[in-house]
Amino acid sequence: QKEVEQDPGPLSVPEGAIVSLNCTYSNSAFQYFMWYRQYSRKGPELLMYTYSSGNKEDGRFTAQVDKSSKYISLFIRDSQPSDSATYLCAMMFSGGYNKLIFGAGTRLAVHP
Amino acid sequence: KAGVTQTPRYLIKTRGQQVTLSCSPISGHRSVSWYQQTPGQGLQFLFEYFSETQRNKGNFPGRFSGRQFSNSRSEMNVSTLELGDSALYLCASSTRGQVATNEKLFFGSGTQLSVL
Repeated sequence: QKEVEQDPGPLSVPEGAIVSLNCTYSNSAFQYFMWYRQYSRKGPELLMYTYSSGNKEDGRFTAQVDKSSKYISLFIRDSQPSDSATYLCAMMFSGGYNKLIFGAGTRLAVHP
Repeated sequence: KAGVTQTPRYLIKTRGQQVTLSCSPISGHRSVSWYQQTPGQGLQFLFEYFSETQRNKGNFPGRFSGRQFSNSRSEMNVSTLELGDSALYLCASSTRGQVATNEKLFFGSGTQLSVL
């Protein structure tokens, strides 16, 4: 069993839809939770960062962490075709020196 | 400000050869990390360097090695290449290597290595 599980999709939604992406994890020692976006032939780009449990909002993006359930989510409101990419969740232990544990990534397609 | 630069962009090698990949971090960044990305295993951490010292290492065989120079530029080397080493190798840099403090990790576009 992988430490971080993420449904690879693909997920196809119409423009303007609310997108829900999520990951589950097995190690309760993870303290830091991130979401990255990766376009084809590019490196991942950090979207959201959350420490421990709670919610964080940034524009159309909302990240949620539920440590009791070992479950994290990313919501994208008013999705746009430019949001079409692979979304990767990542986690890290305290003192991890940039050793991120990534999920497999979910491929999202937003069609006009 | 220039981003993380990785060279070469594409590389084709044959089994048994060795390869060296290069990474120039963002100016002022002293931490450089390397990741391997494959369709089957996803993104996996290789190692992290800060001030020329390796501080963390992933679960990869000793054929994978790296180093960092005094100007923070980094190289990774893979010896005795195997077919399974075909992957996108990503370099990432940050100021101090402490993502835990909300420090951003910036990735390069990677080097696509194909082993034939």
